[in-house]
Amino acid sequence: AQSVAQPEDQVNVAEGNPLTVKCTYSVSGNPYLFWYVQYPNRGLQFLLKYITGDNLVKGSYGFEAEFNKSQTSFHLKKPSALVSDSALYFCAVRDMTSGTYKYIFGTGTRLKVLA
Amino acid sequence: SQTIHQWPATLVQPVGSPLSLECTVEGTSNPNLYWYRQAAGRGLQLLFYSVGIGQISSEVPQNLSASRPQDRQFILSSKKLLLSDSGFYLCAWAQGRVESPLHFGNGTRLTVT
Repeated sequence: AQSVAQPEDQVNVAEGNPLTVKCTYSVSGNPYLFWYVQYPNRGLQFLLKYITGDNLVKGSYGFEAEFNKSQTSFHLKKPSALVSDSALYFCAVRDMTSGTYKYIFGTGTRLKVLA
Repeated sequence: SQTIHQWPATLVQPVGSPLSLECTVEGTSNPNLYWYRQAAGRGLQLLFYSVGIGQISSEVPQNLSASRPQDRQFILSSKKLLLSDSGFYLCAWAQGRVESPLHFGNGTRLTVT
């Protein structure tokens, strides 16, 4: 079965420090991976995606993600965290089984950046 | 550019009343459309998705239904709301290509009283 896991419910980081939000996946075939951010009472915003190619993917708002095939991970990173980065982050994978068009989401990680 | 509109932003309805939430997409044609529900500000539950007019796939059997009367319009309905229908409802769209990300509306906060 295709799945994604976000092992941390919450991540705390000091402003200015690097941040990492973890995601691991389990898929059959090539993974199509996505990161989203959600601010309170808003919809999810697309940050970046991995389809193929370079293992380091750059996205919106200074975020990037590192794809690691051997570890089946797709961790979200940012070199210097801002207080405004505090939000809920979701990792997702495209469900390619049986020709479906679904996306499988992780349970979310709440990022708190402390001033 | 493409935009997605979802309304209303908030809704308070009594138990047993009907529901209609609407979502429209602009700037693209033949999008795949989705309804999600998010409980307690965390996990996303896929309710319905549609890959074309009149084509609805249901993920969760419950008292909700969806319809797609036009290419870029997706409607979530209920004949009689339950308390358990309270939550944050999100509409989303994606192009048909496998690498396409989902794009979400701003959501509807539904409270059933």
